[in-house]
Amino acid sequence: DIQMTQSPSSLSASVGDRVTITCRASQSISSYLNWYQQKPGKAPKLLIYAASSLQSGVPSRFSGSGSGTDFTLTISSLQPEDFATYYCQQSYSLYTFGQGTKLEIK
Amino acid sequence: QVQLVESGGGVVQPGRSLRLSCAASGFTFSSYGMHWVRQAPGKGLEWVAVIWYDGSNKYYADSVKGRFTISRDNSKNTLYLQMNSLRAEDTAVYYCASDVGGYAFDIWGQGTMVTVSS
Repeated sequence: DIQMTQSPSSLSASVGDRVTITCRASQSISSYLNWYQQKPGKAPKLLIYAASSLQSGVPSRFSGSGSGTDFTLTISSLQPEDFATYYCQQSYSLYTFGQGTKLEIK
Repeated sequence: QVQLVESGGGVVQPGRSLRLSCAASGFTFSSYGMHWVRQAPGKGLEWVAVIWYDGSNKYYADSVKGRFTISRDNSKNTLYLQMNSLRAEDTAVYYCASDVGGYAFDIWGQGTMVTVSS
């Protein structure tokens, strides 16, 4: 089974900051990596698919990069609505989520 | 509009069974794979099962293999999850999701809570 490890597990930042979240796969997954945002009590929302493709309707301040085993999600300028938990997910061999990164207001 | 609506959650005793449903609307349900994903209270997301668009293939997480069965009725635009031999660790919000875009889970339901407790 493919394991996904996110870092950090939690992060404090301010509005306007640039933030990067990292996701590492236990083996190469090519570009089969997706990113989701989840707010409390809500279903997850797809942000980025295939490592770097922006889902329709998602603001351009969100971007993804990487391939193989190492991936990043970057938020270029944090907005108040971006404080949430973020999950990576591999879809190379069935599906596995990372443990999540909680982004909190500093 | 595109929508998934889960139902069937509730409180159930350990060892008993429960069937969840997920009603789809606003897209061609019969053309896409469907998934169940769960989230235990205060925990992260766990993929549970997938079924191909035509029901020809089904795959499960090791944690539910042999106890849960995913199925679909394309004539009713409905996805199911039959959960047998339930355990306390199956307590979670269960989401259905679809990969209409072909890459990731781009449509999600609102979730239904399952509590396994005596």
